[in-house]
Amino acid sequence: SQTIHQWPATLVQPVGSPLSLECTVEGTSNPNLYWYRQAAGRGLQLLFYSVGIGQISSEVPQNLSASRPQDRQFILSSKKLLLSDSGFYLCAWSDRVWDTEKLFFGSGTQLSVL
Amino acid sequence: GQNIDQPTEMTATEGAIVQINCTYQTSGFNGLFWYQQHAGEAPTFLSYNVLDGLEEKGRFSSFLSRSKGYSYLLLKELQMKDSASYLCAVKDSNYQLIWGAGTKLIIKP
Repeated sequence: SQTIHQWPATLVQPVGSPLSLECTVEGTSNPNLYWYRQAAGRGLQLLFYSVGIGQISSEVPQNLSASRPQDRQFILSSKKLLLSDSGFYLCAWSDRVWDTEKLFFGSGTQLSVL
Repeated sequence: GQNIDQPTEMTATEGAIVQINCTYQTSGFNGLFWYQQHAGEAPTFLSYNVLDGLEEKGRFSSFLSRSKGYSYLLLKELQMKDSASYLCAVKDSNYQLIWGAGTKLIIKP
């Protein structure tokens, strides 16, 4: 069966510090991978998605970046965090074989930038 | 612009039935999803509608009317564990998911 791991679960970082969130998927190959951010009272915001190794599409211009060094690994990074980067970050994957392409989410990272 | 509207919060009684509505205005339509999200946790898939009508899955049902840009999620025999946020999302003509802000459902004994 497929599983998705995301870490860390909670992170408190000072403004201006770097960020690295990691996500790995097991039990499937060549998945679509996504990074979302969820702010309180707002819908999920797609940050990045990837259809293959090294292929990253950015949906929102910001100081975040993403990388996919391996087929089932997706990393969200920042060189200098801003206060506005605080939020709940979710990694997700979908299987392109399925017509519905429903998303399977990781457990999320609550990021607080102080 | 693209927009998904859901009520912010609803309250219902254990054992009762509740209907959570979702209206959407998107550039094209390629399916509507409902997800459940417990506080502090990740969303989990509940249902998918691409054709008009009712999809039933146990205590949960989802309805779609494409001509009205409208869907609802019906929860029957409510249990305390159903207390969660329910997210409506629509896949547009570019197959991008547009998400509503979610409806927080509070179940009272």
